Amino acid sequence: GAGVSQSPRYKVTKRGQDVALRCDPISGHVSLYWYRQALGQGPEFLTYFNYEAQQDKSGLPNDRFSAERPEGSISTLTIQRTEQRDSAMYRCASSPSFSAQYFGPGTRLLVL
Amino acid sequence: ELKVEQNPLFLSMQEGKNYTIYCNYSTTSDRLYWYRQDPGKSLESLFVLLSNGAVKQEGRLMASLDTKARLSTLHITAAVHDLSATYFCAVDPKGGDSNYQLIWGAGTKLIIKP
Repeated sequence: GAGVSQSPRYKVTKRGQDVALRCDPISGHVSLYWYRQALGQGPEFLTYFNYEAQQDKSGLPNDRFSAERPEGSISTLTIQRTEQRDSAMYRCASSPSFSAQYFGPGTRLLVL
Repeated sequence: ELKVEQNPLFLSMQEGKNYTIYCNYSTTSDRLYWYRQDPGKSLESLFVLLSNGAVKQEGRLMASLDTKARLSTLHITAAVHDLSATYFCAVDPKGGDSNYQLIWGAGTKLIIKP
């Protein structure tokens, strides 16, 4: 595909369950970002990858959140033992160097 | 604390009018981005401004950057309904060759009435 894709688009889970959100960036894009966006707010940075290296994870809220990009392409954001406050839109973006970020459609997570 | 402030946060205007959205930031940067987001949709890149005095135009939108004043503007000329959206500015606080952890403004919700 031409753009960034994310799956699933919607995820409803029960509190305490683990979830894995997938991001497939634009082919060849070196940089990959994960954001969380609340309704009516700007994106909140979570973590950043340069190829397979996670170069900044300072935005991850706590140790229940983790991310990986093992082969420098597809990335997975994992939330363990989900809590209701984790409910949000999770967005992935990719970028070639020195350029704008291209955002995916997002995964809407609802924790019941 | 690094801050990016947009104003106004909400703007309702008539078609055909001109208006400007402002983006002020508190840190040294020479790289600023403007994005558009339609309701329920993802973010779309509009402009990348990479140096002091940079000006870019696309259709009825024009963006400029003054790094000395730490200010970017997004000017709308003869607004049309299709431009209704939320507009975000984002600043790269590190400049140089890094491109992560952008600092985002809160967004300006623009409604253009026929």
